[in-house]
Formats: sequence, structure tokens, C-alpha cells
Amino acid sequence: QVQLQQSGPGLLKPSQTLSLTCAISGDSVSGNSAAWNWIRQSPSRGLEWLGRTYFRSKWYNDYAVSVKSRILINPDTSKNQFSLQLNSVTPEDTAVYYCASGEIRFDYWGQGTLVTVSS
Amino acid sequence: QSVLTQPPSASGAPGQRVTISCSGSSSNIGSNTVNWYQQLPGTAPKLLIYNNNQRPSGVPDRFSGSKSGTSASLAISGLQSEDEADYHCAAWDDSLNGPWVFGGGTKLTVL
Repeated sequence: QVQLQQSGPGLLKPSQTLSLTCAISGDSVSGNSAAWNWIRQSPSRGLEWLGRTYFRSKWYNDYAVSVKSRILINPDTSKNQFSLQLNSVTPEDTAVYYCASGEIRFDYWGQGTLVTVSS
Repeated sequence: QSVLTQPPSASGAPGQRVTISCSGSSSNIGSNTVNWYQQLPGTAPKLLIYNNNQRPSGVPDRFSGSKSGTSASLAISGLQSEDEADYHCAAWDDSLNGPWVFGGGTKLTVL
């Protein structure tokens, strides 16, 4: 059973950088059949996939077009976790952020982190 | 505005059967499989149906999924009070919308 544990600050000011981490237990971030995703949820936009990282002989990343210019998702093999970095946040980035595992479906989800962007 | 279209709400009495629709296009549902997620109040979404009609271990067979063309449906039979939740459809999208797109979610109320 895979478990995902999220951590990171929940309050940011506009223009700051959002940074969240998702610690993995029960699987490996560098597993050849795994993919590690970030998804957010807000009342106005519902669930929105942001991006993913995965290892297939080398590391790959995919990002949603809507955030591609300001997002980074990085694996940390030493700690078996992966992270989300979203730059230049605005109030529109206020949402609950989830990490989730899976390539063709999202099998397991983190507990969610409410991130509020406000001056 | 979500790429996949779901009704915002649905309801049914205990024991009844309800269906929730999910409408997409040729770039998502029309050419890829559909997954459904159940989100109980205050919790993270949970995988309910994958590959259009497959249930993960532990999901009751009261839940079933189907797909036809560019639309998919989730059916819940023998409705129970604990089924009251938000239900979200998702699919891979081959266009610039993707790769993953979701429906706006349907809030199911058990009367």
C-alpha cells in the first residue's frame, strides 16, 4: 500500500514561490512503472492536473500548459520524495494541492494542502 | 471551466440507482479510457473506477462505469447514505488541454 505524505507552507503572498513536498512510502520515486503527479482543486476550476515526474531509464517531466512557464517538479531519490515549485503565485493559485501516484490513473493521493495566496 | 462536462448535482433515495454523466470530445474520452474518483467531504479523491469499467480492490460492485463514444457514465445502484460525495471523471487528453483533464465534479446527495 502506497502512502503519500505532503508537507509545506499554506500561506503565501503574491509573487512568492509555492513549495510543497510529497514523501513516498510503499513505492520508489524512481520505479520504472510509477509516475508522480501534482493536482490542485479550487471551487472555481475544480480538479486541475499540474504536472508529473517519472523515471524510464532517465527522468521525464510533463507539465500543464496553463502553468508550464512557472512550474518545476523534481524527484529526490535520497529521500524518496518529490516536490512541487510554482513561481510568481497570484490569488488565482489559491487551492488545495494534492500529490498523487499513477501513470494511467491516480491510484493513491496525499492528504492535501490548502495553499492560500493573499497580501 | 472544466474540459469534461458533468452535471453539478445528482440525487437519489436510499436503495435507488443513480447515474452520473461525463461528456468529452474526440481528443479525450473519444480516444482514451475514463477514470472516476469519489471524494468524501473533507478528504482527498479516491480512485473508484478505472479503464472505463474496472473497480479497484475494495470498491463495491454497486459502482459501475461505462463509455460510449465521447461520453462516459458512472452508475451507483442500491444507493447508501455513505455514497454522498463528489464524483469526478478524468481522462487523458491528446490535445493541448492535456495530458490529464477532469470534469467539474458532481455532488451526489442521498435523500
